[in-house]
Amino acid sequence: SQTIHQWPATLVQPVGSPLSLECTVEGTSNPNLYWYRQAAGRGLQLLFYSVGIGQISSEVPQNLSASRPQDRQFILSSKKLLLSDSGFYLCAWRTTTQYFGPGTRLTVL
Amino acid sequence: AQSVTQLDSHVSVSEGTPVLLRCNYSSSYSPSLFWYVQHPNKGLQLLLKYTSAATLVKGINGFEAEFKKSETSFHLTKPSAHMSDAAEYFCVVSTGSNDYKLSFGAGTTVTVRA
Repeated sequence: SQTIHQWPATLVQPVGSPLSLECTVEGTSNPNLYWYRQAAGRGLQLLFYSVGIGQISSEVPQNLSASRPQDRQFILSSKKLLLSDSGFYLCAWRTTTQYFGPGTRLTVL
Repeated sequence: AQSVTQLDSHVSVSEGTPVLLRCNYSSSYSPSLFWYVQHPNKGLQLLLKYTSAATLVKGINGFEAEFKKSETSFHLTKPSAHMSDAAEYFCVVSTGSNDYKLSFGAGTTVTVRA
């Protein structure tokens, strides 16, 4: 069966520090991969999606970037975090149905 | 273009009573429709999905949803609410396997009173 991992589960970072969140998927090949963010009191916002290695589509201009160095690995990064980057980050993978990881709670202070 | 409207931002029910979460969709093509549930600080869990087979779809935890094309609706129901059903619910639409993105509703928060 397919499994999706995200780490870390929680993270507290100072403003201006870098960020790296990792997502890996097991049990499937060549999935579409996605990064979403949930800010407090707001719905799901699609940040990036990838249909293959090295292929990244950005949905909104922002302080974040994404990379897909391997088929089942998706990384969300930032060089300098902003207060507004705080939120709950969800990775997802999809073939005909989309499945979500457990999420990372990021607090920027 | 595709979109989803969840008609209630918050629903409160008593334990043991029925739950109804309303969702209307807009899609240019035959849609696939999903309901997800999210408990606090957790990822989204798939409850059920409609992909052009039977219009009444049964999901996990006693939930079901009915696809009504004439009404462009996909409402989620459960006959008897349980305390563990307290969570946020998202209605989602996709217009096919070549559509890489899903459209999410804003979410409905369900509270269950003892």
